[in-house]
Amino acid sequence: GNSVTQMEGPVTLSEEAFLTINCTYTATGYPSLFWYVQYPGEGLQLLLKATKADDKGSNKGFEATYRKETTSFHLEKGSVQVSDSAVYFCALASGGYNKLIFGAGTRLAVHP
Amino acid sequence: EAGVAQSPRYKIIEKRQSVAFWCNPISGHATLYWYQQILGQGPKLLIQFQNNGVVDDSQLPKDRFSAERLKGVDSTLKIQPAKLEDSAVYLCASSSLGSTDTQYFGPGTRLTVL
Repeated sequence: GNSVTQMEGPVTLSEEAFLTINCTYTATGYPSLFWYVQYPGEGLQLLLKATKADDKGSNKGFEATYRKETTSFHLEKGSVQVSDSAVYFCALASGGYNKLIFGAGTRLAVHP
Repeated sequence: EAGVAQSPRYKIIEKRQSVAFWCNPISGHATLYWYQQILGQGPKLLIQFQNNGVVDDSQLPKDRFSAERLKGVDSTLKIQPAKLEDSAVYLCASSSLGSTDTQYFGPGTRLTVL
């Protein structure tokens, strides 16, 4: 069945460091891929998405490229801020009803 | 535009009791989802409605969980009787009708079963 695997956390970085959170997926067909973020005390928010191979999603300085050959959708940011501290979830949607399948989440802590 | 509303935000019950959660989606969104998020895991879809019909309830424990969406707008999720392993955050989300449309999530209800 469809599944998402993302790197375990927590990831701890200093401000202005480079961030990579790995995400790989298993799916039949051609899924859409998403990164959601959950800030402390808040609900899940869509960060970025890509709907077909080689698409790059981007938002708030974060980027992720849909790599079909490696079944990956790694999240990157060139310079993290303390305000980026949150839990990041990789997810895929496949099939006609837009059902989301999430990874386990990666907690990011950014220190000044 | 108002977001997805959920209530209550927190609930503590004892095992074998019943509990209900309420969700009001974004106005005009035809599709409504209930997810269960156990601590340390990603959300798992329990049930999906399109208007007031169920399109996916394959992971809903139907012996104890039930959900309805009257008139295709707000929805309730019920657990009866609750078990310890039901302790989780219950998330409601909604989206427009399109197959790739963004799902918007509510703040969730944190359930603790003692």
